[in-house]
Amino acid sequence: AQSVTQLDSHVSVSEGTPVLLRCNYSSSYSPSLFWYVQHPNKGLQLLLKYTSAATLVKGINGFEAEFKKSETSFHLTKPSAHMSDAAEYFCVVSDRINDYKLSFGAGTTVTVRA
Amino acid sequence: DAGITQSPRHKVTETGTPVTLRCHQTENHRYMYWYRQDPGHGLRLIHYSYGVKDTDKGEVSDGYSVSRSKTEDFLLTLESATSSQTSVYFCAISVVEGMDTGELFFGEGSRLTVL
Repeated sequence: AQSVTQLDSHVSVSEGTPVLLRCNYSSSYSPSLFWYVQHPNKGLQLLLKYTSAATLVKGINGFEAEFKKSETSFHLTKPSAHMSDAAEYFCVVSDRINDYKLSFGAGTTVTVRA
Repeated sequence: DAGITQSPRHKVTETGTPVTLRCHQTENHRYMYWYRQDPGHGLRLIHYSYGVKDTDKGEVSDGYSVSRSKTEDFLLTLESATSSQTSVYFCAISVVEGMDTGELFFGEGSRLTVL
């Protein structure tokens, strides 16, 4: 069965410093991978997606993620954190075997310090 | 832009009472979903629909039923609410046609508390 593990439940960074959110996935078939963001009391918003094209994926708001098949990872990064990046981030996987239903990680909460 | 309205946004109810949550979309997207969000679990799929009167179960469907009599409305019903169904419920639609895109647009959630 497909699944994702987000390795950090909480990440705290200073404004202007890099952000790294780690995600490992498990999938028995060629997966599609996504990162979604949820700001407080809001719905989720798609940040970026990987679907077997370029392994380095650029998303909105300066975020990017790199698909590494050998490491079964899809880590999310941003070179310089902004206060508005404070939110919860979800790594998500889907594949054909599971009828493309999305499987969500438990989430990583990002705090940005001034 | 896709528009989703969930109602009610907040509800407190008692164990054993029926509850219906409504999801309304302003465009004719085919695929609609109901998820629940609980701390430490991310989002889990309850039910989804791929057209009028076409629905299927997700991974946590026990205790829930759905109906879709019109393209724009997807209803989630808890026939007899239990405390374990206290959660935040999100409706979502596939903004790019087809389940295989993974590109979902989410509503702002309905917070349900079962006492």
